Amino acid sequence: ETGVTQSPTHLIKTRGQQVTLRCSSQSGHNTVSWYQQALGQGPQFIFQYYREEENGRGNFPPRFSGLQFPNYSSELNVNALELDDSALYLCASSPPGDYNSPLHFGNGTRLTVT
Amino acid sequence: AQSVTQLGSHVSVSEGALVLLRCNYSSSVPPYLFWYVQYPNQGLQLLLKYTSAATLVKGINGFEAEFKKSETSFHLTKPSAHMSDAAEYFCAVSELDGGATNKLIFGTGTLLAVQP
Repeated sequence: ETGVTQSPTHLIKTRGQQVTLRCSSQSGHNTVSWYQQALGQGPQFIFQYYREEENGRGNFPPRFSGLQFPNYSSELNVNALELDDSALYLCASSPPGDYNSPLHFGNGTRLTVT
Repeated sequence: AQSVTQLGSHVSVSEGALVLLRCNYSSSVPPYLFWYVQYPNQGLQLLLKYTSAATLVKGINGFEAEFKKSETSFHLTKPSAHMSDAAEYFCAVSELDGGATNKLIFGTGTLLAVQP
């Protein structure tokens, strides 16, 4: 069983640039969630995708956007990067049918904005 | 809105000693509660979850947690710490949020150090 995989593992961008992060969900999981974990903080919910549509969003501006593909993989796009966007971005997938099934997390993408 | 408070951002114990990591939650409905562990440069791994079936929940690696509604607490314990337990631990509550399922609200984490 393949777990959640994320790419790239590390990324350095300049303020104002755009970035795309990628996530492959665990086999059999059709729901993907994205979290932002700033240094020394707990993860914060960005949004969730289910059936290729956004299914809930946290308190993040519209320059954070995403996609989900028919194979359930997902992308997180961030436009007009700001220094405060520097964080670990975690993707998590969960299986269908169980409302509170645990999330399965990938190892994250470490984004540094300079 | 639900929230989670973890008391103690850093906890240090000796190898073989009791581990106690504290978590208090705020929820207007019966909560689903989770403990996750994060090792350096890795994602989060589920330790255990509470879903109202039993108040004492056993997880992986010898950890367990007790749900106490009267105290709104869900503290994590392990009788005997091992060096490999050194990591950051996060308590989380599942929040109902319109369409989003499995949306988790995390605490700020507790970094556990284990001294030899």
